[in-house]
Amino acid sequence: DAGVIQSPRHEVTEMGQEVTLRCKPISGHDYLFWYRQTMMRGLELLIYFNNNVPIDDSGMPEDRFSAKMPNASFSTLKIQPSEPRDSAVYFCASSFRGSGNTIYFGEGSWLTVV
Amino acid sequence: AQRVTQPEKLLSVFKGAPVELKCNYSYSGSPELFWYVQYSRQRLQLLLRHISRESIKGFTADLNKGETSFHLKKPFAQEEDSAMYYCALRGDSNYQLIWGAGTKLIIKP
Repeated sequence: DAGVIQSPRHEVTEMGQEVTLRCKPISGHDYLFWYRQTMMRGLELLIYFNNNVPIDDSGMPEDRFSAKMPNASFSTLKIQPSEPRDSAVYFCASSFRGSGNTIYFGEGSWLTVV
Repeated sequence: AQRVTQPEKLLSVFKGAPVELKCNYSYSGSPELFWYVQYSRQRLQLLLRHISRESIKGFTADLNKGETSFHLKKPFAQEEDSAMYYCALRGDSNYQLIWGAGTKLIIKP
């Protein structure tokens, strides 16, 4: 398996624009996580899904953020409208409960909002 | 409340010196503890977990329930150990990890 695949790897966008980050989890994994990483706040869990159903979105900062998982092999994290303070690395991760709870991360999407 | 504390944001040691990255936790049940590592501009990856009781890249970590700690140790640091290290605890009520703030380890030549 190629691991968790994220796109785009890097994005620079202007304030107010819509940003869509994409994730393909490892095949067979039933949990998917979206994290945000910044120097100030470290690693924050935004939302996670189990079997495509959102379980906990309490980490989503505000209504400008939304996430979907239409099927087991695809998820999106959308920011609309984007703001400079959204600049961060966004990680997608997946796991299979039976694997001993190891979470496998993607390489991250580096977002810069100017 | 479940909490993971990594008291050092930055730790800098010389090559060949021992390294200890501290992790303390607050948890009322039987915890599962993990260390994840992130090398520069790379993805986070699992380094080790306490239930495996293994040594990875020379690192070990022992769960001390009395002190509620899970410190990461290596006797002789190498330059390639420079990275960001995160300690994490698995909660029992829902399937997610509680993360520490991370410690940036710099190994000086």
